[in-house]
Order: sequence, then structure tokens, then C-alpha cells
Amino acid sequence: QVQLVQSGAELRKPGASVRVSCKASGYTFTSYGINWVRQAPGQGLEYMGWISGYNGNTNYAQKFQGRVTMTRDTATNTAYMDLRSLSSDDTAVYYCARSGGYSYGQYYQGMDVWGQGTTVTVSS
Amino acid sequence: EIVLTQSPGTLSLSPGERATLSCRASQSVSSSYLAWYQQKPGQAPRLLIYDASSRATGIPDRFSGSGSGTDFTLTISRLEPEDFAVYYCQQYGDSMVAFGGGTKVEIQ
Repeated sequence: QVQLVQSGAELRKPGASVRVSCKASGYTFTSYGINWVRQAPGQGLEYMGWISGYNGNTNYAQKFQGRVTMTRDTATNTAYMDLRSLSSDDTAVYYCARSGGYSYGQYYQGMDVWGQGTTVTVSS
Repeated sequence: EIVLTQSPGTLSLSPGERATLSCRASQSVSSSYLAWYQQKPGQAPRLLIYDASSRATGIPDRFSGSGSGTDFTLTISRLEPEDFAVYYCQQYGDSMVAFGGGTKVEIQ
């Protein structure tokens, strides 16, 4: 079945970096994109960005420009999200989610498959 | 950047009642590229509606989406016990994809 499986929980100190992985299975990885969305405790959903499974093109939310890098490995059907210069405000559950092969518009069609979420805690 | 405002913040209803959730955009959403998601506590969100009115795979027909331009609506025709959750809208009409703040539908 179609699924996204994310890496486990992470604990980081302020100023550090974190990498979260998202392994896809059950579909053609290069035909879709992967989005990253986070949710701070008790808060709503926050869009972080998108990466094409086909060519690695990215679309980062302005808030995270310069601090986030999204990559993918087509050999293992895995997407990665690196976030640098962490602060306590980055404590959240991070989700990856599949969408269409474009970062927005006609072929995006919403995020139809979600990972289970990865809890990232930033604390000294 | 398009800002999405969802209202009301909380909707208190009983099973069997009709729920009407609003999502208002600060600018027109291109070609009605708007989605709705449902999220229950401790779970990942689930896609309900995309392109403003198209139901995602496996979504019951009691869920419907409508609207265009700056005003969009998610309607749940008859609430089932499993429908009590938080609902988010998302616009993807331009590169600055964004979510609304959410509406919680709770049992009255």
C-alpha cells in the first residue's frame, strides 16, 4: 500500500540542526512531490515547503528560506528535510506528505498521503 | 502572501446536525486551488477536498466543498461521531502555499 514512513523522534539543543527522513513506498516516487508541514504543540498546521520527486526542484516557504534544505534520493525513494539553527520555537511534530508533481496549481491536488509524524524537541 | 481566515474558531454541534465551515482568503485564490483537511488528536491530517469541490479518494459524500475567489465553504451534511475533529483549509493557487488557522468541530 501507499505509505510514507518517517524517522524517529529527535532531541536537539538550541543552535543545532536536525534531519528528518521520509521513506516512500507503494507508488512511483518520481511522479509526485513531497511536502513538509509542521505543527507546534497545541497549534495549527504550518507549511514548510515542497520538493519534486522527479528532479529535486524545491519551493520553500518564505519563513524558512535560508534555514531549511529539502533533498531526495530516488535510489531509496526517500525525502529529507534539514533544519538548521534550531530554537525552542522549532519544537513541533514534523510531517511529510505526498502531493502532485508541481509545487502548486493544477497538478498539486492537495496532500493525499501523510507520514506518521516526527517529534522534534529543542531544549537545552 | 494569501492569508486564510477560518471561522468560526469552534463549532459546537450534535451528531446528525449540519456543519458549515468557512475559509476566507485575503486575495483571490487562483482557479479555486483550495483543499480541506481533517485532523483528529494524535493523528496526521487527512485530505477531504481538493480543488475546492473535489472529494478525495474514500471520502464520504456527506463532505462537500464549494466556493471560489476569496470565499470557500466545507459542509458536512449530517455529522457522524467520527467527524468531530479540527478542520483546516489550504490554498495552493500560488507558490506561497498556506494553511488557515483551523476550525474545531466539537460535540455539543
